[in-house]
Amino acid sequence: AQSVSQHNHHVILSEAASLELGCNYSYGGTVNLFWYVQYPGQHLQLLLKYFSGDPLVKGIKGFEAEFIKSKFSFNLRKPSVQWSDTAEYFCAVNAGNTGKLIFGQGTTLQVKP
Amino acid sequence: GAGVSQSPSNKVTEKGKDVELRCDPISGHTALYWYRQRLGQGLEFLIYFQGNSAPDKSGLPSDRFSAERTGESVSTLTIQRTQQEDSAVYLCASSPTGGRITEAFFGQGTRLTVV
Repeated sequence: AQSVSQHNHHVILSEAASLELGCNYSYGGTVNLFWYVQYPGQHLQLLLKYFSGDPLVKGIKGFEAEFIKSKFSFNLRKPSVQWSDTAEYFCAVNAGNTGKLIFGQGTTLQVKP
Repeated sequence: GAGVSQSPSNKVTEKGKDVELRCDPISGHTALYWYRQRLGQGLEFLIYFQGNSAPDKSGLPSDRFSAERTGESVSTLTIQRTQQEDSAVYLCASSPTGGRITEAFFGQGTRLTVV
């Protein structure tokens, strides 16, 4: 069965610090990979996605993620976080043609001003 | 254009009552998903629809949960004989395609409280 693991459950950073959130998935075939963000009181929004091609993908608000197939990983990064990045971040995987989108447990990011 | 719409936005019900949660997907979206998000936890997959058929119902927690979809339109998630552990935010999402998902668009969710 597909599964997604996010290693960091709660991250606290100061503004301007660099961010890396881990995401690993279990599925040996072709995958589509996503990072979603949920700001306080708002609905889930797509941050970035990977389907194929360049394994380094750039998303909105300065976020990027790197797909490393050999490690089954899709870690999210941002060089310098802002207070407004405080939110919950979810990694999600769509494996093959299953039509199923599986989410990780989420990481709560708190950025201190 | 309109996004994914869920109703009601909040629902308080007494233990043992039945509830119906509604999701209106983005027009033309083939796939529709239901998730449950308990307080402080991630998104728990419940069921997804490809058109009006449900290829995967594996996430439904018990036989008290059921869902249906009319064509490629509205979906209803029904919880019978609600229990306190059913309290959660129920999220609906839709996607233009099934199979390989290009993007899922989420609604605001229905916050269900069972008292």
